[in-house]
Amino acid sequence: DAKTTQPTSMDCAEGRAANLPCNHSTISGNEYVYWYRQIHSQGPQYIIHGLKNNETNEMASLIITEDRKSSTLILPHATLRDTAVYYCIVRVRDTDKLIFGTGTRLQVFP
Amino acid sequence: DAGITQSPRHKVTETGTPVTLRCHQTENHRYMYWYRQDPGHGLRLIHYSYGVKDTDKGEVSDGYSVSRSKTEDFLLTLESATSSQTSVYFCAISGVAANVLTFGAGSRLTVL
Repeated sequence: DAKTTQPTSMDCAEGRAANLPCNHSTISGNEYVYWYRQIHSQGPQYIIHGLKNNETNEMASLIITEDRKSSTLILPHATLRDTAVYYCIVRVRDTDKLIFGTGTRLQVFP
Repeated sequence: DAGITQSPRHKVTETGTPVTLRCHQTENHRYMYWYRQDPGHGLRLIHYSYGVKDTDKGEVSDGYSVSRSKTEDFLLTLESATSSQTSVYFCAISGVAANVLTFGAGSRLTVL
């Protein structure tokens, strides 16, 4: 199972882009990269996922390197409400499980 | 929370007592999961279910059992609660094995 490595914490100014990196150097060819976030003590919330190509939705963009060994989640215009813990997850191959790590705590400041 | 409810939301119990947490969904989703969250450990998978009466273990299944007798309910049981099981428990559901999970609001359990 591919493991992920994320910085423990990051800061971002409100209105600026927040770029959250994730390293998954042991990812297999058919494993997807998922991003979730958890605001305060709420349940985690799905953000985006991808396999090879870059993806964009109303919440964020996901940039995956060509060798797939790392990815970046981009929040284009961070707001205070984006302050949360962000989890980068690689789907366990051929199973239905989703294993979380400890994530990156993003603090957006005014 | 998108058709998923957990009960109870808060519970305080004593060591050695049995505890059952319930996760109820109205989405008719096939997959259901139980996670626990503790400071410094993030979210850890306890058990999950991929259909009625079909369950499997996660990362931290010792001391927990689950049951799923119908699609909408997934029960997590602590046969004899210990203080190490004090935690916040989250239930999640997924419609297909694409792993886009929807989480419940959580159940905070304190074992004294």
